[in-house]
Amino acid sequence: GAGVSQSPSNKVTEKGKDVELRCDPISGHTALYWYRQSLGQGLEFLIYFQGNSAPDKSGLPSDRFSAERTGGSVSTLTIQRTQQEDSAVYLCASSLSGGAVSTDTQYFGPGTRLTVL
Amino acid sequence: GDSVTQMEGPVTLSEEAFLTINCTYTATGYPSLFWYVQYPGEGLQLLLKATKADDKGSNKGFEATYRKETTSFHLEKGSVQVSDSAVYFCALSDRQGAQKLVFGQGTRLTINP
Repeated sequence: GAGVSQSPSNKVTEKGKDVELRCDPISGHTALYWYRQSLGQGLEFLIYFQGNSAPDKSGLPSDRFSAERTGGSVSTLTIQRTQQEDSAVYLCASSLSGGAVSTDTQYFGPGTRLTVL
Repeated sequence: GDSVTQMEGPVTLSEEAFLTINCTYTATGYPSLFWYVQYPGEGLQLLLKATKADDKGSNKGFEATYRKETTSFHLEKGSVQVSDSAVYFCALSDRQGAQKLVFGQGTRLTINP
C-alpha cells in the first residue's frame, strides 16, 4: 500500500517568509510525528499527534513553529518568519497506534528539504 | 533526558568484512530500541528492533541484542555487501506517552567491493 508522503520534496525560501510543509500519513494510522534532520542537531523530534488528543509539542524549537492535523489524517507544519537555522530536512512519520502500543513501528516519509536563503 | 550515543563515523569496510556499530543509551524507563537505515536518496527505514532486555532483533543479516546491564544495542553483520552502504541510526522510544524516537547521530557506512 501507499506509504507516508510529503510535499513539497524541496522548498527554497527567503529569510523572513512563512512556509507550509504537508504530510499524508499511511491510511488508518492514528499517530503522526514530525522530526527534523539537520547537520548540526541530527534527528530531532518536533511534535506528535494521536487521534483527537492534544498534540505533544514539546520538541518545537520556537513559537515560530506550529502544526495542525485536520480530520485525523493530513498534517501541516508551518514555520513563520523563517531563519537560516531552520534549513533542514523535515520528516514525517506515522504509526498505527502511537502511544497506545509500545512496540508500534514508525514509518517515515521521504522528507521535505527546506533551504532558507 | 533520554539520549543515544553511536560510534563516530564514517566507517569504511571491504565487502564480506564483519561489521559492528556501537550504540549505547541513557533512559530513565525501559525503552524500546531500534536501528533505522537511510540508503542514499531514500527515506528512513526500520531495520530491526527489540522491545525488552535480552531480546535480539534481526533483519537482512543484521542483528542487535538489547543489553540492559551495559545499556547497549550494538549492530552487527557477519559479512557486509556493497548494498549495505548507508547511514545507520540507533534510536530509542520511551514506553510512556508519545513514544517519540530519540536518535543517535548516525553512522555513515561505506562498503568497497
